[in-house]
Amino acid sequence: EPEVTQTPSHQVTQMGQEVILRCVPISNHLYFYWYRQILGQKVEFLVSFYNNEISEKSEIFDDQFSVERPDGSNFTLKIRSTKLEDSAMYFCASSEAGIYNSPLHFGNGTRLTVT
Amino acid sequence: EDKVVQSPLSLVVHEGDTVTLNCSYEVTNFRSLLWYKQEKKAPTFLFMLTSSGIEKKSGRLSSILDKKELFSILNITATQTGDSAVYLCAVGAAAGNKLTFGGGTRVLVKP
Repeated sequence: EPEVTQTPSHQVTQMGQEVILRCVPISNHLYFYWYRQILGQKVEFLVSFYNNEISEKSEIFDDQFSVERPDGSNFTLKIRSTKLEDSAMYFCASSEAGIYNSPLHFGNGTRLTVT
Repeated sequence: EDKVVQSPLSLVVHEGDTVTLNCSYEVTNFRSLLWYKQEKKAPTFLFMLTSSGIEKKSGRLSSILDKKELFSILNITATQTGDSAVYLCAVGAAAGNKLTFGGGTRVLVKP
């Protein structure tokens, strides 16, 4: 069964450094998302991406965050200058159509630790 | 602000028991409700519900939605230790292409 793959599985970085989290969505999916889950808390929406542009973003997704689909297969999340509070599990997800019609399929996540 | 509340927070059962998990929601312009199972990492998709009163089944799992009372339940019958996980409920609303998640119900099935 096709799946969403994320790399790396764990990333440790120092405060103020830039990180790029990578995702390969399911190949025929058109909608892409990033969510995060701080340890012990709810899964939170960050951003959705369709047709090469952001379709929605949350308040968390400020100027420090950006997303890109640099080629036909990868979808990346960049955090420009990491803060301690960015430590979380970051999940990439994709769906065939919008959320009204098709479920999101999640990757295994990247655990980001900011020290 | 959209809100999704799951109950109970956690429960412990023995193999063979039946569990019922609850999800209530307050969202503007509801479109869909989804259930996910989260073991160690990725939430894995279980059900997507958009219409009231139509039960969805997959093996020992089933789910139903009540759009009038704004809740959904997930049932697991004849539980097995492999059902131990956090079960997440998420709701999609018309205002935007995002899911709002509840806090999850942690289920532990003892042999």
